[in-house]
Amino acid sequence: EVQLVESGGGVVRPGGSLRLSCAASGFTFDDYGMTWVRQVPGKGLEWVAGINWNGGSTHYGDSVKGRFTISRDNARNSLFLQMDSLRGDDTAFYFCARLIAWDVRHGIDYWGQGTLVTVSS
Amino acid sequence: ERLMTQSPATLSVSPGERATLSCRARQSVGGSLAWYQQKPGQTPRLLIYDVSTRATGVPARFSGSGSGTEFTLTISTLQSEDFGFYYCQQYNDSVTFGGGTNVDFK
Repeated sequence: EVQLVESGGGVVRPGGSLRLSCAASGFTFDDYGMTWVRQVPGKGLEWVAGINWNGGSTHYGDSVKGRFTISRDNARNSLFLQMDSLRGDDTAFYFCARLIAWDVRHGIDYWGQGTLVTVSS
Repeated sequence: ERLMTQSPATLSVSPGERATLSCRARQSVGGSLAWYQQKPGQTPRLLIYDVSTRATGVPARFSGSGSGTEFTLTISTLQSEDFGFYYCQQYNDSVTFGGGTNVDFK
């Protein structure tokens, strides 16, 4: 069974940093691209970042480019999102998700349950 | 980012009726389009990818069509469990989601 479990969310002040982690199990991690998607409660989905199977290709949404960094550790079956220079509009649930193939440019077939990031003074 | 516009924002239908949801891209996204269903309190579920390929376990009443900039998700005979939000997503040029369509009970 595919499982994606996020951790690292919490409350942080504007301008601060936070690092999210996602532990993957139930599949061959380095066969798939991975992605982070966020959602403000009651609002729509926003794509944050994606990474291909070996970490050699990364892509970011315009609103986080230059502030967030996606990475992965295939030996530990883990996905990460380093979030710097956080702003109030970064407040959302952050979902770790698996892409249906090795590259970033694919649909998403499995989602974690999400971790809440709140940016507030 | 490639802007994706979904319409209508809300679609009110009765069980047994046909539902047609639209997704429009400002520029062509080729065949790189997916559809998701999300119910309150749940994570999204992949329905369709590559415009018209149903994901594993998705009932045949869900179908996707279109090309270039105009795409459609059709639910042929709406069931009670089909109510919820639907999002389109393009992955041709970076990745963007549409704003969503809420399919609710008429």
